[in-house]
Amino acid sequence: GAVVSQHPSWVICKSGTSVKIECRSLDFQATTMFWYRQFPKQSLMLMATSNEGSKATYEQGVEKDKFLINHASLTLSTLTVTSAHPEDSSFYICSASETGGSEKLFFGSGTQLSVL
Amino acid sequence: DAKTTQPNSMESNEEEPVHLPCNHSTISGTDYIHWYRQLPSQGPEYVIHGLTSNVNNRMASLAIAEDRKSSTLILHRATLRDAAVYYCILNTGGFKTIFGAGTRLFVKA
Repeated sequence: GAVVSQHPSWVICKSGTSVKIECRSLDFQATTMFWYRQFPKQSLMLMATSNEGSKATYEQGVEKDKFLINHASLTLSTLTVTSAHPEDSSFYICSASETGGSEKLFFGSGTQLSVL
Repeated sequence: DAKTTQPNSMESNEEEPVHLPCNHSTISGTDYIHWYRQLPSQGPEYVIHGLTSNVNNRMASLAIAEDRKSSTLILHRATLRDAAVYYCILNTGGFKTIFGAGTRLFVKA
């Protein structure tokens, strides 16, 4: 089956630094990828929709200048948390669906970000 | 807002069937019904999806009501590895997907 690779699995950084998370579709092309964040014991919260070759669409309340999304190819989307602060500590998950294929979503394994 | 409602938690005994319900009364004609499950510290995993007819795969079965306003995920023989949070969501071909709270399934040995 289709695989989405997310890297890194976990990262610890100092407050004020930036962190980049990569999401790759390994064996299929993904025009659209989605980024979620999840706090402990809570559901996934959609942050933004990443479209290849165009600007991402952010959900209400998500700061686009803080969470930079780049989707430069059909197999790679990146999320950069800029000037991270402790309140940005969370579990970040990406997902993708095949271009013109099934409606199934394939999820990355998630990235646990801890900001000190 | 999520377009589905599910019980917060359910409990099952190992080796017994589990029926996880989901209500989606505002479903549109083009919405597919998807089920995913999430183990701790992992990304969600696809379980099954359908449009109108009941569906079976190696993991589970999906029973869809005739009016499509509700559905039930059926795990035929629960194992300890099936303990997870199960999400029922509506998806229309790549458009953004909103997750509800899901159902936390506890499986007792």
